[in-house]
Amino acid sequence: TQLLEQSPQFLSIQEGENLTVYCNSSSVFSSLQWYRQEPGEGPVLLVTVVTGGEVKKLKRLTFQFGDARKDSSLHITAAQPGDTGLYLCAGAQDSGGGADGLTFGKGTHLIIQP
Amino acid sequence: DARVTQTPRHKVTEMGQEVTMRCQPILGHNTVFWYRQTMMQGLELLAYFRNRAPLDDSGMPKDRFSAEMPDATLATLKIQPSEPRDSAVYFCASGFYLDRGRRSGNTIYFGEGSWLTVV
Repeated sequence: TQLLEQSPQFLSIQEGENLTVYCNSSSVFSSLQWYRQEPGEGPVLLVTVVTGGEVKKLKRLTFQFGDARKDSSLHITAAQPGDTGLYLCAGAQDSGGGADGLTFGKGTHLIIQP
Repeated sequence: DARVTQTPRHKVTEMGQEVTMRCQPILGHNTVFWYRQTMMQGLELLAYFRNRAPLDDSGMPKDRFSAEMPDATLATLKIQPSEPRDSAVYFCASGFYLDRGRRSGNTIYFGEGSWLTVV
């Protein structure tokens, strides 16, 4: 059973377009993280959200944690080819923000075409 | 530039052979995680250590997988005997966790992975 469902699985759009990817669960998480992974490399942390309803911005990326702390979204404005990669959400259910490991979604493969 | 170092980067082996993957965590980090990534299952937690003590290895097939941390600079993941279904990318990640009351979490850093193919 996959605790974190990410959608869409694959997304290919043109440079300059906006997009949103989703991370949904029936479970409550104490915190949720978003990672970006490029081919041949390990995931790299983008952001951690902790409070229900929290919104964090990282340049053109906007992350939101659902009010009930069960879901999250990542919105990219004016996508660029450099945004291409696998975007992973990961939830922590321990009180230490991932001290007992993270549950990962399968990811959204994003391709931004020039 | 501190980073998690994994060896080997790539390994092709025959079914039944022993495979050992090694990880050097970032100096000062007290927690080491082993994850496995496949297309079908995504990233799965296999085992983790804190202050070199194994805390949970419930994600590992016990009969063939073993994880150890002989010292603070080395974590190992061993598969014996290996099977084709073990083919995956194995990631080591390290971080520092002290205050279990904080939900904000800490950054964990992943290595580049060990790409294992068992034929």
